[in-house]
Amino acid sequence: NAGVTQTPKFQVLKTGQSMTLQCAQDMNHEYMSWYRQDPGMGLRLIHYSVGAGITDQGEVPNGYNVSRSTTEDFPLRLLSAAPSQTSVYFCASRWDRGSTGELFFGEGSRLTVL
Amino acid sequence: KQEVTQIPAALSVPEGENLVLNCSFTDSAIYNLQWFRQDPGKGLTSLLLIQSSQREQTSGRLNASLDKSSGRSTLYIAASQPGDSATYLCALTSGTYKYIFGTGTRLKVLA
Repeated sequence: NAGVTQTPKFQVLKTGQSMTLQCAQDMNHEYMSWYRQDPGMGLRLIHYSVGAGITDQGEVPNGYNVSRSTTEDFPLRLLSAAPSQTSVYFCASRWDRGSTGELFFGEGSRLTVL
Repeated sequence: KQEVTQIPAALSVPEGENLVLNCSFTDSAIYNLQWFRQDPGKGLTSLLLIQSSQREQTSGRLNASLDKSSGRSTLYIAASQPGDSATYLCALTSGTYKYIFGTGTRLKVLA
């Protein structure tokens, strides 16, 4: 059972470039989310989804775009990368939308924007 | 606005010691609280999940308690080992979709 899989693990971008961070889960979880982790600031929620076709903003959504076309995948898009988006990005999922079940995390994607 | 605090930020103890990690929150209206472990360069691994109606959860040498009235959760680690060295984070949700994380306690267990 793979759990939550994130790709790529490492990425270096130049300012203004675009890219997509991939997240896939094989646990049939309805709830999926993206966080960024910065030193001294903890994890902050970027966007989340409670099912295919349903997404909403978290605490720090600016500069990021998401969509959810399948239950398994929840990609995070950076349309025009900025140095302030240098961070470690984590995808997390949970079993169902209504309850408060356990949150599972991927291994992270480390992004540097020059 | 809900705030989550973990003090101390770092802790160093000798092997075999029992220890307590703290997580404080400002709003008692929470759905659940989860403790995670994060090793350097890795993702977060779930340790224990406490629902709002529960007072504690146990798994092996770990015990987590929740006191909503005082806005506090503790993670107790018995007979600490060098392999327990990691950063420990707590996270809670006050609604069903948004989680708020503490900044973590970095634990080092000395052999």
